[in-house]
Amino acid sequence: AQSVTQLGSHVSVSEGALVLLRCNYSSSVPPYLFWYVQYPNQGLQLLLKYTSAATLVKGINGFEAEFKKSETSFHLTKPSAHMSDAAEYFCAVRASGGSYIPTFGRGTSLIVHP
Amino acid sequence: DVKVTQSSRYLVKRTGEKVFLECVQDMDHENMFWYRQDPGLGLRLIYFSYDVKMKEKGDIPEGYSVSREKKERFSLILESASTNQTSMYLCASSFGGRQQETQYFGPGTRLLVL
Repeated sequence: AQSVTQLGSHVSVSEGALVLLRCNYSSSVPPYLFWYVQYPNQGLQLLLKYTSAATLVKGINGFEAEFKKSETSFHLTKPSAHMSDAAEYFCAVRASGGSYIPTFGRGTSLIVHP
Repeated sequence: DVKVTQSSRYLVKRTGEKVFLECVQDMDHENMFWYRQDPGLGLRLIYFSYDVKMKEKGDIPEGYSVSREKKERFSLILESASTNQTSMYLCASSFGGRQQETQYFGPGTRLLVL
């Protein structure tokens, strides 16, 4: 079984501030982990994914995430928020050797203040 | 670029109507998915298909059916629409064979059932 918890349904930051979106997972086998972003009135698109290579994964638009097995976490960060980062962010997990169906978190809405 | 298209961005239907949502992908993907997205609940899987004419129920299949007669097309059918099916519907596709494959999402169909 696998599950994902995203802490905080809403995160508010000022433009230029650090962005930190939290994701904790549960998986009985090594996981594949994904972050997707959904801009208003659009579908989801991949930001980055962890596939058991490097534990620090760099994605698009300056985002990165670090896989920490001991903490079962895959938090998403960006050093400096931009107004265009305002969106909904989803963390997802898929267990290796399991089905092709990922489990999604409930999402975190990022609000960026000028 | 991978493209997943959905037949309508917005749809208004009446209770009891039969509703068809169409999804087409142009990348020869084996896997296709239908999700519904509701505020605070994230993405919930309705149905999944891993090959033509093959389908598996997701977490919330009740009140829905699907059809996949061609590899590139995956249809979601609401046999008799009800107001609790008012939601955003997202289609996605991915390559088969590996769990780390990215899902590609369509722009979504926002359905209102009156």
